[in-house]
Amino acid sequence: QKEVEQNSGPLSVPEGAIASLNCTYSDRGSQSFFWYRQYSGKSPELIMSIYSNGDKEDGRFTAQLNKASQYVSLLIRDSQPSDSATYLCAVGQYNFNKFYFGSGTKLNVKP
Amino acid sequence: GAVVSQHPSWVICKSGTSVKIECRSLDFQATTMFWYRQFPKQSLMLMATSNEGSKATYEQGVEKDKFLINHASLTLSTLTVTSAHPEDSSFYICSAPTGSGTGELFFGEGSRLTVL
Repeated sequence: QKEVEQNSGPLSVPEGAIASLNCTYSDRGSQSFFWYRQYSGKSPELIMSIYSNGDKEDGRFTAQLNKASQYVSLLIRDSQPSDSATYLCAVGQYNFNKFYFGSGTKLNVKP
Repeated sequence: GAVVSQHPSWVICKSGTSVKIECRSLDFQATTMFWYRQFPKQSLMLMATSNEGSKATYEQGVEKDKFLINHASLTLSTLTVTSAHPEDSSFYICSAPTGSGTGELFFGEGSRLTVL
């Protein structure tokens, strides 16, 4: 079983719609959760971090964490073609000395 | 956000030669850096954890004699691919936690290695 699981996609949404990206993790001791965006041929860039249950909003992005269900999600409102990328879910251990990445979900936002 | 700089951004070398990739934290000190490899259309694969002043910790299946890691200072880690072969061609990315207690990882720009 992989540490972090994501649907590989591609997920296609029309411009202006809400894109919903999901991630599950296996280690209940995980303490930190991150979403990274990676454009083709580029390195990942941090979009959101979340540490406690509930929602965290930053502009058009909302991260949701449910530790009981071992589930973390990312919502992108008013999706734009420039949001088309692969989104990586990452989970960190309690002392931040180990991070596990999901395989990524490819998002396509159609104009 | 914190800045991690990686150099070179791309390199082409002949089979059998060695290539060194540098990773620097520009505005923070990094006692730990992570080295990843990414093949086309695949996710990041952690190769090793670089620790300042001590030996690197390699993931299972990664040859430590082939991928030499040196963490010489709190701002510099290097990855040397020794006796490179075409199958080593990949995108190598370093990252570092800022140490601010948030656990956020910041990535270098990546180094694309092509071995002929």
